[in-house]
Amino acid sequence: DVKVTQSSRYLVKRTGEKVFLECVQDMDHENMFWYRQDPGLGLRLIYFSYDVKMKEKGDIPEGYSVSREKKERFSLILESASTNQTSMYLCASRSHTSGSSYNEQFFGPGTRLTVL
Amino acid sequence: DAKTTQPTSMDCAEGRAANLPCNHSTISGNEYVYWYRQIHSQGPQYIIHGLKNNETNEMASLIITEDRKSSTLILPHATLRDTAVYYCIVSRDTGRRALTFGSGTRLQVQP
Repeated sequence: DVKVTQSSRYLVKRTGEKVFLECVQDMDHENMFWYRQDPGLGLRLIYFSYDVKMKEKGDIPEGYSVSREKKERFSLILESASTNQTSMYLCASRSHTSGSSYNEQFFGPGTRLTVL
Repeated sequence: DAKTTQPTSMDCAEGRAANLPCNHSTISGNEYVYWYRQIHSQGPQYIIHGLKNNETNEMASLIITEDRKSSTLILPHATLRDTAVYYCIVSRDTGRRALTFGSGTRLQVQP
């Protein structure tokens, strides 16, 4: 039962290339998130979106942009890839919580991006 | 969100209970305790959460102290597949908020 998918598991790009990382969720979730994960630094939030065409900066948005044209799809864009953007990128989605019920944050399998 | 403190690593023998502690002394009244785990090369996976009471599901049990300043995740019969990094997270239960992951505890289940 696939829930959150990411376009690639592994990706190799060259410095200066424009890179698109795609994330799709099939749970009709309002909220979607992009994290990057680096050894010793844990997961860090890049951007998130709580509705179509809405976006909010996370902790480390520099060098990235995002697009949410449809509810199920959240794209992360590296306008001009640099070597310091080599990392594991994780997408997640979560339903907007109301009341006392908890809504799990579902993660995709991750994309390991290498920028040469 | 309140800060959490977890041991960097722990070992556990296969078949034994794994008890993973977490300190969250600055937790506020409306913040929940969540546990996620991340198996190597996969995205994090939800395990359990709680507010005040102890909780149990098919994966684990969560014991929260009465003052809510610490908690323990219990895997009752650890298997090799439970080897992972376990994250304790404290946050208000609002879906719009991204969860803040710390460094977690690396649990190694030994055969």
